[in-house]
Amino acid sequence: AQSVTQPDIHITVSEGASLELRCNYSYGATPYLFWYVQSPGQGLQLLLKYFSGDTLVQGIKGFEAEFKRSQSSFNLRKPSVHWSDAAEYFCAVGARRAAGNKLTFGGGTRVLVKP
Amino acid sequence: NAGVTQTPKFRVLKTGQSMTLLCAQDMNHEYMYWYRQDPGMGLRLIHYSVGEGTTAKGEVPDGYNVSRLKKQNFLLGLESAAPSQTSVYFCASFGLKYNEQFFGPGTRLTVL
Repeated sequence: AQSVTQPDIHITVSEGASLELRCNYSYGATPYLFWYVQSPGQGLQLLLKYFSGDTLVQGIKGFEAEFKRSQSSFNLRKPSVHWSDAAEYFCAVGARRAAGNKLTFGGGTRVLVKP
Repeated sequence: NAGVTQTPKFRVLKTGQSMTLLCAQDMNHEYMYWYRQDPGMGLRLIHYSVGEGTTAKGEVPDGYNVSRLKKQNFLLGLESAAPSQTSVYFCASFGLKYNEQFFGPGTRLTVL
């Protein structure tokens, strides 16, 4: 069965500082990987996704993520955080079409941004 | 193009009451999903559908039923609500064109 672990429940970062959110997954084949962001009281917005090819993926809002097969990781990074990046971030692994394209989510990491 | 919409946005139920949550999508997607979100647990899949007239169980299906009579709609029912079903419910649809799930704004349900 697939699973996702986000080891950090909360992260506090100063505005302008860099941010890295960790994600480890378990999946029996080459995974589809996603990062979503959820602002307070809102739905989920896709930041970026990885299916194959280049292991460094660029997303929206200046985010990027790197797929490392040997470490079963898909960490999210941003070089310089803005106050508007305060939100909850979810990593997810996706099943193939034969399995209904289902997503399994991690528990989320809440990011607080200090002025 | 409204994307994925959910009604209602908020609801308070008493234990034992029933209700139906409606999800609608206008993107002609085949796949639709219902998740629940609880603090520290991320989103967990309740039920999903791979096409009109089909449904399947997800990770946490107990206490819920679903129906997909029309391609654009996916209904989630609670026959006898319990306090453990207090949660935020999200609907999503999956599009092959972009290979991603699109989420609705959520429904906050409280069961007293």
